[in-house]
This record gives sequence, C-alpha cells and structure tokens, in this order.
Amino acid sequence: KQEVTQIPAALSVPEGENLVLNCSFTDSAIYNLQWFRQDPGKGLTSLLLIQSSQREQTSGRLNASLDKSSGRSTLYIAASQPGDSATYLCAVRRSGGSNYKLTFGKGTLLTVNP
Amino acid sequence: GAVVSQHPSRVICKSGTSVKIECRSLDFQATTMFWYRQFPKQSLMLMATSNEGSKATYEQGVEKDKFLINHASLTLSTLTVTSAHPEDSSFYICRASRGDINSYNEQFFGPGTRLTVL
Repeated sequence: KQEVTQIPAALSVPEGENLVLNCSFTDSAIYNLQWFRQDPGKGLTSLLLIQSSQREQTSGRLNASLDKSSGRSTLYIAASQPGDSATYLCAVRRSGGSNYKLTFGKGTLLTVNP
Repeated sequence: GAVVSQHPSRVICKSGTSVKIECRSLDFQATTMFWYRQFPKQSLMLMATSNEGSKATYEQGVEKDKFLINHASLTLSTLTVTSAHPEDSSFYICRASRGDINSYNEQFFGPGTRLTVL
C-alpha cells in the first residue's frame, strides 16, 4: 500500500526566503506525482505535475523535482511571498491497474511572514 | 481553465438527518468523479469513484449505504450522507476528471463542502 509522507508538517519563514518542501513515497511504481496548494477551507489547486519519466518541472518561482528510485520529491519555492502561505500537498498516482487513484500526503502548512 | 463547483460550501445539520452535496463540472464533461474526505490536518482520503451512468466504486471501509453517490450526468455527481452523525463531520471534496482514466488526464477539484453534524 502506497504511503506518502510530507516533511515538515509546518514551516514558518520570513518573506523573501527560499524554501524546500519534501515528499516521500513508499512505492516507486508511480505514474506521476503532483503538487497542490490548498488555502484554508478551500479546494485544491494544481501547481506542478511530474510524469514518472521526468526529473523536474518548473513554473515561475516553483520547481519540483522527482527521484522515483528513491521515492522522493521536493518542491522548491524561490523568494517566498506572504501570498504563498497555504498548505502544500503532494500526491502520487500509481502506474498500472486502477492508476487513476491519487494518494495524498498530509501536507505542509507554510506561513510566510511579511 | 476548467471549473468544478460544489454546493453547498457549508452545511450544519442535526444528527440523524441526511445531507446532499452536489458536485458540478461547469464547462466540461466529467467522465469520472471522485469523492474525498479530509479531516483536520489529515490527508485527503478517497471515498469512492463514480462513472456517469454506473454504480460508484467504494474504497475499503467506506459504507456504501451511508454515503450514497449518484452520477446521473456527465456534469453532475451527488454525495448523500444518510443519517449523519457527528463523526461524519468533515471536509468533503470532489474531483472531476475528463478523458481516459487509464491515461494522463486533467483533474479538477471542487472547492469543498464543510459538513458539521451536531
């Protein structure tokens, strides 16, 4: 059974700092990995999706990497802003069989202080 | 981008009553819809998967008679929590998917429904 762990559970940084969020998964047979943002009491917004054959994806100040063999992904946020404050979730989609299912981590609650 | 709506956004009900939550894909046809439950500071847990016109597939441990899912059209799925109890209080989120579920496809989440059972 796939398990997804996110570290740290919470992170507080001053504005402008670069930061890294970590995600690990136990089963490397994944189809893709996705990072989401969730604002309090809201749904999820997709940030980046990395296919299993890719090593990284970039969008603006965000960069996500994937090391499938070691079961790890990182989300790098450059020059953080107060508007980045949210919970960041990673989810993996397994390959083969019923591969439409996503397994989520518990998320990292990020607070960027002005 | 594609939009998924949920209604209501918040609901408070008394124990023993039933609550219906709607999930709509506003500008695309969702061949598959997924229902998740999220407890505070916890992961999203998949409850069930539904394809338009067919019975939902429930995850292990989810009571199908308690959480009734209907996917009557390509733009609407409903989740009914029957005889709700305080332990059913949670954040319910739907996800709509278009395209072949066995290949890469786009996924769009609704904004969620906060259910509080008194």
